[in-house]
Amino acid sequence: EAAVTQSPRNKVAVTGGKVTLSCNQTNNHNNMYWYRQDTGHGLRLIHYSYGAGSTEKGDIPDGYKASRPSQENFSLILELATPSQTSVYFCASGEDREGEQYFGPGTRLTVL
Amino acid sequence: GQQVQQSPASLVLQEGENAELQCNFSTSLNSMQWFYQRPGGSLVSLFYNPSGTKHSGRLTSTTVIKERRSSLHISSSQTTDSGTYLCASNTGNYKYVFGAGTRLKVIA
Repeated sequence: EAAVTQSPRNKVAVTGGKVTLSCNQTNNHNNMYWYRQDTGHGLRLIHYSYGAGSTEKGDIPDGYKASRPSQENFSLILELATPSQTSVYFCASGEDREGEQYFGPGTRLTVL
Repeated sequence: GQQVQQSPASLVLQEGENAELQCNFSTSLNSMQWFYQRPGGSLVSLFYNPSGTKHSGRLTSTTVIKERRSSLHISSSQTTDSGTYLCASNTGNYKYVFGAGTRLKVIA
């Protein structure tokens, strides 16, 4: 069965530290996405990619970098984590530019 | 850019009652998707519904592209339907925009 997995599932980081969130998909989808979900804001798009080697800015990219080294893997990188980045982060994959999206289980990040 | 309005924001039902959840889009869209989410849980895709009507068990989704709206109908609600329902739209540029969600509670 096609799947999107995320690691770690929970992470506590210190302010100013570097955090890397990883996402792996076995759907063989070209597109991958990183969202964050906060109370009162719903899901907001941080970065996305439409293939290995590509990364694009979403609606709230400041403070985040992304990396897509292969079709299967998409990482979100917080070089200097801040408490405002405490959130739940979701990764998703999709087949084409307007196709159905499939979500991972989420990563709960707390920055102290 | 695209904005997505969901209504109602919250809803409480007695078990067995029906519910109609609405999603309205500020601009034209190419596709949309309905999701279900338990507190602290992941997003489960209910419908990928670019247009027309789709059924799945007690759920029905209807999207009217030219009116820029979509609805999710839940019939004969059950306590296990409790959670948050999210809709998201795509204007054909890879990006989905999400609504804030409808929080549903079904009481026995």
